[in-house]
Amino acid sequence: AQKITQTQPGMFVQEKEAVTLDCTYDTSDQSYGLFWYKQPSSGEMIFLIYQGSYDEQNATEGRYSLNFQKARKSANLVISASQLGDSAMYFCAMRRGRDDKIIFGKGTRLHILP
Amino acid sequence: NAGVTQTPKFQVLKTGQSMTLQCAQDMNHEYMSWYRQDPGMGLRLIHYSVGAGITDQGEVPNGYNVSRSTTEDFPLRLLSAAPSQTSVYFCASSNRVAGELFFGEGSRLTVL
Repeated sequence: AQKITQTQPGMFVQEKEAVTLDCTYDTSDQSYGLFWYKQPSSGEMIFLIYQGSYDEQNATEGRYSLNFQKARKSANLVISASQLGDSAMYFCAMRRGRDDKIIFGKGTRLHILP
Repeated sequence: NAGVTQTPKFQVLKTGQSMTLQCAQDMNHEYMSWYRQDPGMGLRLIHYSVGAGITDQGEVPNGYNVSRSTTEDFPLRLLSAAPSQTSVYFCASSNRVAGELFFGEGSRLTVL
């Protein structure tokens, strides 16, 4: 089975604080990839970061890092020094290695407070 | 670069009508997919394709048909629209090597 779980429907965080958005996944494949996307209120899907299952180091892109814990099947997104513009919906997704099927979690709505 | 282009952006249908959502990409991506987004449900995979002539069902395929006759195009057909198909639809594409999934701008469909 292929499944993505995001347990935080919504979060409120003070500006400039670090944020961790949770994502756990389930797959029987050895090869897979994990994504995070941001969807602002305007509706477009913005790619943030990608981690392959065989990547030994956690992925980082600017203020975004992916805390990949393979044994726990978790792929949490960490946003350092949050900004007001980070307020958005965030989706975790997984690509299955055998056929590239990509599924998404239900998302976490992040609110950054001034 | 056009990227992933979806049309139409908005559509209102009556129950029982048919329509096709068009999706085209100009990045020579093998993988293409359709998702629907509903409040509280995230993005749910409808159908996907890993190359011309190959399609497969996603999580919520009922009521939708797809075909992939070329690498560039991946249309989504609603044969008999139902109010439950009111949603925002996203087309997306990527290459088959690890990396970014590119999205279209979305199509908002309302079925009355």
